[in-house]
Amino acid sequence: EVHLVESGGGLVQPGGSLRLSCEGSGFTFSSYWMSWVRQAPGKGLEWVAIIKQDEGERYFVDSVKGRFTISRDNAKNSVYLQMNSLRVEDTAVYYCARGPRGLVREGIDYWGQGTLVTVSS
Amino acid sequence: DVVMTQSPLSLPVTLGQPASISCRSSQSLVHTDSETYLHWFQQRPGQSPRRLIFKVSNRDSGVPDRFSGSGSGTDFTLKISRVEAEDVGVYYCMQGTHWPRWTFGQGTKVEIK
Repeated sequence: EVHLVESGGGLVQPGGSLRLSCEGSGFTFSSYWMSWVRQAPGKGLEWVAIIKQDEGERYFVDSVKGRFTISRDNAKNSVYLQMNSLRVEDTAVYYCARGPRGLVREGIDYWGQGTLVTVSS
Repeated sequence: DVVMTQSPLSLPVTLGQPASISCRSSQSLVHTDSETYLHWFQQRPGQSPRRLIFKVSNRDSGVPDRFSGSGSGTDFTLKISRVEAEDVGVYYCMQGTHWPRWTFGQGTKVEIK
């Protein structure tokens, strides 16, 4: 069974940094694109970032470009989201999500339980 | 960017009755490979999203057959043939055709009357 477990969320001041982690199990982690999707309180879903199996491609939503980075360690079955220069509007539950093995257009199939990031002074 | 518009945003339904959710895209979702990358997700209260349907009409494993997806081009529909109590939640469509950006609809909240 596929499991994705996020960690690293918390309260941070505007301008601060936070690093989220996600560990996958129950599947061959290195064979899949991995992604982060966020959901602001009471709002809908917003795709944030994605990384290819070999880290050869990374993509971000415009609102986080230059502030967030995504990386992975296939030996640890883990993907990370480094968030810098955080803004109040980055406050959200951040979900780790498994992408496809092949075409990125095929989207997400499994989601983690999410970790809450609160940016506030 | 492709904009995904769902309607209605709120859908009160009687148990056992059908429900239908519309998702429209600002551009055609037919890719040059002839596939249409439109997917549907369910988010029950307090839970993470779960994929129900991929590429317009393909049900994921374990998804009850009362859920069905249809549509083409820019107009898509998720139907629940007979709503059950466990179907309460928010439903989202998502496009993958116009990469590099996945975009979601605003969500449709299904509740029991």
